[in-house]
This record gives sequence, structure tokens and C-alpha cells, in this order.
Amino acid sequence: KQEVTQIPAALSVPEGENLVLNCSFTDSAIYNLQWFRQDPGKGLTSLLLIQSSQREQTSGRLNASLDKSSGRSTLYIAASQPGDSATYLCAVNGYGQNFVFGPGTRLSVLP
Amino acid sequence: DTAVSQTPKYLVTQMGNDKSIKCEQNLGHDTMYWYKQDSKKFLKIMFSYNNKELIINETVPNRFSPKSPDKAHLNLHINSLELGDSAVYFCASSLRQANTGELFFGEGSRLTVL
Repeated sequence: KQEVTQIPAALSVPEGENLVLNCSFTDSAIYNLQWFRQDPGKGLTSLLLIQSSQREQTSGRLNASLDKSSGRSTLYIAASQPGDSATYLCAVNGYGQNFVFGPGTRLSVLP
Repeated sequence: DTAVSQTPKYLVTQMGNDKSIKCEQNLGHDTMYWYKQDSKKFLKIMFSYNNKELIINETVPNRFSPKSPDKAHLNLHINSLELGDSAVYFCASSLRQANTGELFFGEGSRLTVL
């Protein structure tokens, strides 16, 4: 059974810092890994999708990497801004299987 | 235009009532889903529909029933509501067959059962 963990559970950084969020999964036979952000009281916004054949994806100040063999993904946020404050979730799935979500990392970027 | 939209956003009701949540996507996606986010913020799949056919049905109580009138809509009906049903319910969709594409979520419907 796939399990997803995210460390740290919460993170507070000053504006402008670069930061890394971690996602670990127990079953390396994944098809997709997707990173989301969730603002309080809102839905999930897709940030990046990495397919199993890919090693990383980039979008603006965000870079997500995937190491299937070690069951890990990282989300790198460059030059953080207060608007980046949100909960970040990662989710993985096998082909045709349900996405399994991690518990999220709550990020606060202080002005 | 909102890609995945749900109504209502908030729903407060008494135990034992029956309620529905509607979802519509204008992305032309083939598959739609319902997820439940509990008080601890864990997201879990409830149902998915692909081209109007239920293809995944997790072990949820049969008081919950998804209904899809067409590819762009997936509604969630809940009968005989219980206190434990209080949660945020999210609709989502993906382009290709179940779980092979990127997921897009609605804003969520917060259900409170009194």
C-alpha cells in the first residue's frame, strides 16, 4: 500500500529565501507525481506534474525533482515571497491507480 | 471561466437529511473524481467516473452515490447524513483515462452536519 509523507509539516521563512519541501513515498512503482498548493478555504492548484520517466519539471520559480529509486521528490522554491504562503501537497499514483496524497507542508513566508 | 466548479460552497444540514453537491468541468476532460478532505486535512479518493462509467469505487458507505448525467458533470448525493460526514468534498478532473493525467480540482464544498 502506497504511503506518502512530507517533511517538514510546517515551515516559516523570511521573504527572499530559497527553500526545499520534501515528499517521500514507499512504493517506487509510480506513474505520476504531482505537486499542489492549497490556500486556506480553497481548492488545490496544480503546480507541477512529473511523469515517471522524467527527473524534474520547472515552472517559474518552482522546480520539482523526482528520484523514483529512493522514493523521493523535492519542490524547490526560489526567492520566496509572502504570496507563496500556503499548504503544499504532493501526490503519487501507479498507472490507472488512485492518487495518494501526502499530509502537506504548511509554508509561511514572512515579509 | 472556472475550470472545475462546485456548488454549493458551504452546506449546513441536520443529521438524517439528504443532500447533493454538484460539479461541472469545462476542460473537456474524460474523467472526474470526488475526494474527501477530513478535519486532519487528509485527501482521499471517493469515486471516479470515466465517460459516464464508474471505474473506481472506494470503500465508502453506500449512502454516498455519484451521478454523472454527462461527461462534464459529476454530482454527489448523500443520503441519511451522519455527523462523521462533515468534511470538505472536492471535485476533480483529468484529461485522459483514470489517473493517467494531471488532476485539476474545484474549490471544494464544506459540508457541516449538525
